[in-house]
Amino acid sequence: DVKVTQSSRYLVKRTGEKVFLECVQDMDHENMFWYRQDPGLGLRLIYFSYDVKMKEKGDIPEGYSVSREKKERFSLILESASTNQTSMYLCASSLTIGTSIVSYEQYFGPGTRLTVT
Amino acid sequence: AQSVSQHNHHVILSEAASLELGCNYSYGGTVNLFWYVQYPGQHLQLLLKYFSGDPLVKGIKGFEAEFIKSKFSFNLRKPSVQWSDTAEYFCAVNKDDKLIFGTGTRLQVFP
Repeated sequence: DVKVTQSSRYLVKRTGEKVFLECVQDMDHENMFWYRQDPGLGLRLIYFSYDVKMKEKGDIPEGYSVSREKKERFSLILESASTNQTSMYLCASSLTIGTSIVSYEQYFGPGTRLTVT
Repeated sequence: AQSVSQHNHHVILSEAASLELGCNYSYGGTVNLFWYVQYPGQHLQLLLKYFSGDPLVKGIKGFEAEFIKSKFSFNLRKPSVQWSDTAEYFCAVNKDDKLIFGTGTRLQVFP
């Protein structure tokens, strides 16, 4: 079974702090994704990566950056946390099959609920 | 704007009732379609998917969905729900190597 783990289930940070959210997958997937989940808004893609050291902006990248130094690890960075970044953050991974990076399904981690005060 | 729409935000049913959750998308061309489910306190997991072939797709736990291309719809159905189906359900479309999610439908099933 694919396992996607996230470093924390709950996190409380202060406004202005730099925040690191870590995600690790154990199935040698090429692609990794960061989403935020908010009530009434569903899941929104922040950043994704289809290879080590590669990154692509999603729909809401402002205020975030990412790092992918190793295939299995994808980090989301909040450079200066703000209260509007209080949310549930979900990491996901998927295989590349053929030429598509989202060929079949994404496997999700348990999420990190971040509160910025 | 192109989008994925789930018109039912909150559905409340009694056990054994039938379920249909709507999903419409506005993307043209080839799309791959998914339903994901998030049980309380658990991670998001795949319920079923459509890529090609038979437009009626069967998933886990007795769920099925029908792809109707002319209506840009991919509605989720289950003939008889159980209390354990209480969860949030998300429709998603794979377009241009991204998964575009709907806003989700919260289903509550009462015994």
